[in-house]
Amino acid sequence: EAGVTQFPSHSVIEKGQTVTLRCDPISGHDNLYWYRRVMGKEIKFLLHFVKESKQDESGMPNNRFLAERTGGTYSTLKVQPAELEDSGVYFCASSELSSSGVKYNEQFFGPGTRLTVL
Amino acid sequence: AQSVTQLDSHVSVSEGTPVLLRCNYSSSYSPSLFWYVQHPNKGLQLLLKYTSAATLVKGINGFEAEFKKSETSFHLTKPSAHMSDAAEYFCVVSVIGGFKTIFGAGTRLFVKA
Repeated sequence: EAGVTQFPSHSVIEKGQTVTLRCDPISGHDNLYWYRRVMGKEIKFLLHFVKESKQDESGMPNNRFLAERTGGTYSTLKVQPAELEDSGVYFCASSELSSSGVKYNEQFFGPGTRLTVL
Repeated sequence: AQSVTQLDSHVSVSEGTPVLLRCNYSSSYSPSLFWYVQHPNKGLQLLLKYTSAATLVKGINGFEAEFKKSETSFHLTKPSAHMSDAAEYFCVVSVIGGFKTIFGAGTRLFVKA
């Protein structure tokens, strides 16, 4: 079974440019999450999709960040325009949504996209 | 409110000696607790999870952790370190039945030959 994949693995852009990160969750996982780790800081939650709906986007830093999950499969995270402080590693994770309810939330993580804004 | 504190940013051990990575948590509700490991250029891999079934949890690669409610701790241990254990380890808390997860700052484990 394929794990969570992310593309690209690295991205280097200039301040003011636009970058789009992509995440493909494990097939059948309805929950999809985005996290970010800025250099030297904790991994921070950005948002959570259940299928195509945004369940919780309380961690999104500002309106320069736009996440989508059309069709409830893969997700994209767009940063427009990028700023220096957006540099970091962006992780995607997915988990199942069982019909009996989620007793605990084991998330499966992708390798991350390292974003560098110059 | 939930929070998690990893008490050491770096831990260095010699190969073959025990490993102890410390984690304290705070949660208003029954927590789920996890330890993840990240090797260089890899995604986070689940080592083990506590979900209220048993306080001593065994994970992969010989790691285990004990949930101590009275001490609000969930320390990760391994009897004998291996060079391949060198990585960064994250303690994570989540509310049982919930989705939001809070990460600790991470502990980087160094293993000396």
